[in-house]
Amino acid sequence: KQEVTQIPAALSVPEGENLVLNCSFTDSAIYNLQWFRQDPGKGLTSLLLIQSSQREQTSGRLNASLDKSSGRSTLYIAASQPGDSATYLCAVGGRGKLIFGQGTELSVKP
Amino acid sequence: DAGITQSPRHKVTETGTPVTLRCHQTENHRYMYWYRQDPGHGLRLIHYSYGVKDTDKGEVSDGYSVSRSKTEDFLLTLESATSSQTSVYFCAISEWSGGRVADTQYFGPGTRLTVL
Repeated sequence: KQEVTQIPAALSVPEGENLVLNCSFTDSAIYNLQWFRQDPGKGLTSLLLIQSSQREQTSGRLNASLDKSSGRSTLYIAASQPGDSATYLCAVGGRGKLIFGQGTELSVKP
Repeated sequence: DAGITQSPRHKVTETGTPVTLRCHQTENHRYMYWYRQDPGHGLRLIHYSYGVKDTDKGEVSDGYSVSRSKTEDFLLTLESATSSQTSVYFCAISEWSGGRVADTQYFGPGTRLTVL
């Protein structure tokens, strides 16, 4: 059974720092890995999707990497801003389904 | 933003009553999902649909049923609500492209359900 773990559960950083969020999974037989952002009381917003054949994907200040063999993905956020404060979730894609980690709650202090 | 709406957005009901939540999409995506989100458990898949009248169970399907009679609507029914079903329920949509970008899931705003 696929299990997805995100460490740390919470992170507080000063504005301007570069930071890395971690995601690990137990079964490397995946179709893709997706990163989402969730603001308090809101739904999830898709940030990036990395296909199983890719090593990384970039969108603006965000860069996500995938190492299937070690069961790891990282989300790199450059030059963090207070508006980046949210919970970040990774999800591993099976055939038409996602298994989610429990998220990392990020707080960026001005 | 993907065109996904959920109704109602908030509901308070009593134990033992039936409850139906509705998800409506305007994107014509084939796949639709129902998740619940609880502190300490994260997001868990309840049921999903891969086409009209085609549905399958997720991780936490006991006590829930679904129906999809049209591409755009996916209904989640709690036959007899219990306090353990108090949660925030999210609907999501996607396509299936074998792992490619079209697999991206788009989420609705959620329904907060309280069962007293």
